[in-house]
Amino acid sequence: NAGVTQTPKFQVLKTGQSMTLQCAQDMNHNSMYWYRQDPGMGLRLIYYSASEGTTDKGEVPNGYNVSRLNKREFSLRLESAAPSQTSVYFCASSVVPTSYEQYFGPGTRLTVT
Amino acid sequence: DQQVKQNSPSLSVQEGRISILNCDYTNSMFDYFLWYKKYPAEGPTFLISISSIKDKNEDGRFTVFLNKSAKHLSLHIVPSQPGDSAVYFCAAGQGQGNLIFGKGTKLSVKP
Repeated sequence: NAGVTQTPKFQVLKTGQSMTLQCAQDMNHNSMYWYRQDPGMGLRLIYYSASEGTTDKGEVPNGYNVSRLNKREFSLRLESAAPSQTSVYFCASSVVPTSYEQYFGPGTRLTVT
Repeated sequence: DQQVKQNSPSLSVQEGRISILNCDYTNSMFDYFLWYKKYPAEGPTFLISISSIKDKNEDGRFTVFLNKSAKHLSLHIVPSQPGDSAVYFCAAGQGQGNLIFGKGTKLSVKP
């Protein structure tokens, strides 16, 4: 039982390049989330998926797109990376949207030069 | 405008003593509060939570207190251990389960 897994662990992109961050959970959770954490800041919600087939914007969605591929997988795409997107990205899941206890993956550290 | 504030970026405590981490919030509609613990290079892990209808929740060495009139919550760790050294995030939730996080407090427990 791996919990929440994220790939890759590290990535360096040039400005304008695109990439997809992958997230998968094996806990049969319905809801999944993408956060970013910048130095000295708390986690900020980018997008979330309350259930399979639905996605909604969070606090900082600009520059990102998401896909809830199935119940297990939730990906985050940067179409044209910018230095302001340099951050650590965390994926999380919860049993249902109203279950506030979220389980986090280990994070992806992204640097955009 | 920050809805969840942790005004102390860091806290240092001696092993065996009490650690008290504080958190203030501005939105009276929050109905659930949580504390997460984060070690370097790892994701946050859930520690303890409290519903807005309660004023205290206890789990082993960890107790969370909620003062709704002051819009303030605190996490008490007794006794503190070196393994408790980490960054602690306060988070608040309303409605769909989306959480608003504070900036975190780095706790150092010295042997």
